[in-house]
Amino acid sequence: DQQVKQNSPSLSVQEGRISILNCDYTNSMFDYFLWYKKYPAEGPTFLISISSIKDKNEDGRFTVFLNKSAKHLSLHIVPSQPGDSAVYFCAASDVQGGSEKLVFGKGMKLTVNP
Amino acid sequence: EAGVTQFPSHSVIEKGQTVTLRCDPISGHDNLYWYRRVMGKEIKFLLHFVKESKQDESGMPNNRFLAERTGGTYSTLKVQPAELEDSGVYFCASSLLQWPSDTQYFGPGTRLTVL
Repeated sequence: DQQVKQNSPSLSVQEGRISILNCDYTNSMFDYFLWYKKYPAEGPTFLISISSIKDKNEDGRFTVFLNKSAKHLSLHIVPSQPGDSAVYFCAASDVQGGSEKLVFGKGMKLTVNP
Repeated sequence: EAGVTQFPSHSVIEKGQTVTLRCDPISGHDNLYWYRRVMGKEIKFLLHFVKESKQDESGMPNNRFLAERTGGTYSTLKVQPAELEDSGVYFCASSLLQWPSDTQYFGPGTRLTVL
C-alpha cells in the first residue's frame, strides 16, 4: 500500500510560469518530507525538504508547502525554467527501529516549454 | 569530491543467472542505502548499512537477494537466482549521518534486465 502518493504522472508548463507539484501521504507518523529531482540516466538529487513543525520552506525559486491536517505537500517552482524539466519525487522520512529510510512516491514528470 | 558510483550501469541476464551490483559510496559516509525502482512504480527501500552492519533490511524482497559491505566501504548486492520480476533500476545512496540530519546522495543506478 502506497504511503506517499503523487497522483499526477506529468505536468507541462510554459517557461516563466509557476509549476505546482502535489503530493499526499497517508502515514501520520511521517514528520519530515523531501523533494528529489531526477534527470534521465542519473540518480535522484535532493532539492528541498520540510519538517512537520513548519508549513513552508523556501530556497530560491523552490518553495515547499506542508498541510499536516490534510496530509498534503506541494512544491512550487517559480519562475519555471526549461532546465527544470525532470522527474520530481516526493519522499517522506520513515524512522523505525533506529533506522531511517526514505519512502518515495511514483514521481511526476515536469516539462517546461521554452 | 567524487559522488556515489555504481557498477555496472546496465546488466542484462537470463532468468536463473546470478548478478552482482556494486556501490561505492562517498568517501567517509558510514550510511549506505540500497533502493530499487521497478518500471513505472515508486523507488522502494531495500536495506540500510551503518558501516559494515545491516541496520535495516526490512525492504529486501526475499532470500534471493544478498547485500554485503565488507570493511564498511563499498557494498555489493547479489541476486541469485534472478527472476523476471527483479528487473528494475537499483539505486545506492550514502549519507554521512543518519537522515534527516544529513542528505542521502544517490548514485546513477544500475539498470537490471532479466530475460
